[in-house]
Amino acid sequence: NAGVTQTPKFQVLKTGQSMTLQCAQDMNHEYMSWYRQDPGMGLRLIHYSVGAGITDQGEVPNGYNVSRSTTEDFPLRLLSAAPSQTSVYFCASSYSPQGPTNEKLFFGSGTQLSVL
Amino acid sequence: AQSVTQLGSHVSVSEGALVLLRCNYSSSVPPYLFWYVQYPNQGLQLLLKYTSAATLVKGINGFEAEFKKSETSFHLTKPSAHMSDAAEYFCAVSSDGGGADGLTFGKGTHLIIQP
Repeated sequence: NAGVTQTPKFQVLKTGQSMTLQCAQDMNHEYMSWYRQDPGMGLRLIHYSVGAGITDQGEVPNGYNVSRSTTEDFPLRLLSAAPSQTSVYFCASSYSPQGPTNEKLFFGSGTQLSVL
Repeated sequence: AQSVTQLGSHVSVSEGALVLLRCNYSSSVPPYLFWYVQYPNQGLQLLLKYTSAATLVKGINGFEAEFKKSETSFHLTKPSAHMSDAAEYFCAVSSDGGGADGLTFGKGTHLIIQP
């Protein structure tokens, strides 16, 4: 059972470049989400999805796009990377479409992104 | 909106000593509260959660936390620290509207275990 798989683990971009961070889960979870983790800031929610075809914005959505065409995959797109997007990105999922209210989030191992 | 405050960005204890990591929350509705642990270069793992059942919650690896409504606190404790407990610990609260828009995390406390 792979759980939540994120690729790549590390990425360096130049300002203005675009890229997609991949997230896949094999647990048939309805709820998926993306967080960014910055030193001294904890984790902040970027976007989330409660099922295929449904996405919504979190606390810090600007500069990021998401889509959910299948239950398994939830990619995060950076359209034009900026140095402020240098961070560690975590994908997380849970079974219930209500999200992590009363059940745990399963986290991927993270993608460390540097934007120069 | 809900929020979480973790007191102390770094806490250092000796091996075998009591671990106490502090978390205070604010929420306009009865909250769901969580403690997550992050080991180096890994994602977060759930330690324990409070969902309005027992106020004393037992988690994995010998950790427990007590919900105190009067103090709006949910402090994490472990009677005897082990070297393997060295990690980053995050307190989190569910959103006022339920869980779909995610959890609000504290800034984290780095636990250091001295031999």
